[in-house]
Amino acid sequence: SAVISQKPSRDICQRGTSLTIQCQVDSQVTMMFWYRQQPGQSLTLIATANQGSEATYESGFVIDKFPISRPNLTFSTLTVSNMSPEDSSIYLCSAKSGENNEQFFGPGTRLTVL
Amino acid sequence: GQQVMQIPQYQHVQEGEDFTTYCNSSTTLSNIQWYKQRPGGHPVFLIQLVKSGEVKKQKRLTFQFGEAKKNSSLHITATQTTDVGTYFCALREGSNYKLTFGKGTLLTVNP
Repeated sequence: SAVISQKPSRDICQRGTSLTIQCQVDSQVTMMFWYRQQPGQSLTLIATANQGSEATYESGFVIDKFPISRPNLTFSTLTVSNMSPEDSSIYLCSAKSGENNEQFFGPGTRLTVL
Repeated sequence: GQQVMQIPQYQHVQEGEDFTTYCNSSTTLSNIQWYKQRPGGHPVFLIQLVKSGEVKKQKRLTFQFGEAKKNSSLHITATQTTDVGTYFCALREGSNYKLTFGKGTLLTVNP
């Protein structure tokens, strides 16, 4: 299993600014992922954070808007750039671990953009 | 990528009643995972199914994978208030093990 922490837990930001979310795993993991979840909705995968190489983005998400870093096997950051109110959401990181290749999720970062 | 359809979207039951959520696909699935997300919480892994016709139990929860591997279900017997939350099925795809989530079923339980 893996225990994941995220910082910040929540933030209120002004339009046009950027926010970097940090994700820390308590053990080394090969795969880390970033999701977005609107309240009451399902999870949408933003990208896979690859250690030592560029992140792999899903359709509809681009690096300029959501730059991701993965400097080592326990840490990743997601930046939400040039924010607009439409970016208001919960952002979750996860890591693949366990014998079932299941994903363990962080507690999420609740972002509100005014 | 593949998609999974999950029904119902909402289910409200009286405590003690049973509950079932279904996950369906038009294509054969290699696997299905189930997660539970409590209100205000994050998704927590429950189970993974990979074999045709597989049935797994966790106390009052029974998970099934269809013979054709195109559908799956989660059944809760005699619901309790602690079962409240959203239940998601998810398909693990590709060499990077990314997950595609169903829309989820929100279960509320009236005590």
